[in-house]
Amino acid sequence: AQKITQTQPGMFVQEKEAVTLDCTYDTSDQSYGLFWYKQPSSGEMIFLIYQGSYDEQNATEGRYSLNFQKARKSANLVISASQLGDSAMYFCAMRGMDSSYKLIFGSGTRLLVRP
Amino acid sequence: EPEVTQTPSHQVTQMGQEVILRCVPISNHLYFYWYRQILGQKVEFLVSFYNNEISEKSEIFDDQFSVERPDGSNFTLKIRSTKLEDSAMYFCASTGDRENYQETQYFGPGTRLLVL
Repeated sequence: AQKITQTQPGMFVQEKEAVTLDCTYDTSDQSYGLFWYKQPSSGEMIFLIYQGSYDEQNATEGRYSLNFQKARKSANLVISASQLGDSAMYFCAMRGMDSSYKLIFGSGTRLLVRP
Repeated sequence: EPEVTQTPSHQVTQMGQEVILRCVPISNHLYFYWYRQILGQKVEFLVSFYNNEISEKSEIFDDQFSVERPDGSNFTLKIRSTKLEDSAMYFCASTGDRENYQETQYFGPGTRLLVL
């Protein structure tokens, strides 16, 4: 069975600093995808970044980068130059190769950016 | 930019009543999903739908739930007899190419359901 673990229920970061949100996963699939979504207080789920299991390079999207360590089964999200608008819940998710390619989510990390 | 839309944004209903949550997936997508998020908890998979049939459902998706794609654009989730514990945010998601595991699932803004 697939599992995503986010061990940081809450994090603080000073504006303009970088922050790392942890995510570890467990799967027996050889091919899988790892995703990060942002959920602001308004509730919508915003896709941030994707990493494929066979991708050799770490994914980057603007201020977001994914520190992918396959042997350690970790896919940490790094947000550089934090902004006040980054305050939100962040969910790590995985999609394996089962029949529906559904997403399995972690419990989330609430990030608060301090001015 | 194409987006997934959901209506209504909020729904309040009495226990035992039927509710229908509506979604319009991105137009060229083929795979559709419903997820649920109870307040303060993680997002949970309910059901996936492809080629006009359910491809997988979770243990949450019992006989009280059903999904339908009635007209080629809408994708609905029906709860026949709501229970208090059905109170949650319900997200619709769609993706274009299931075979390409790089394909992102795009989420709608959600419907917040409150059962009284």
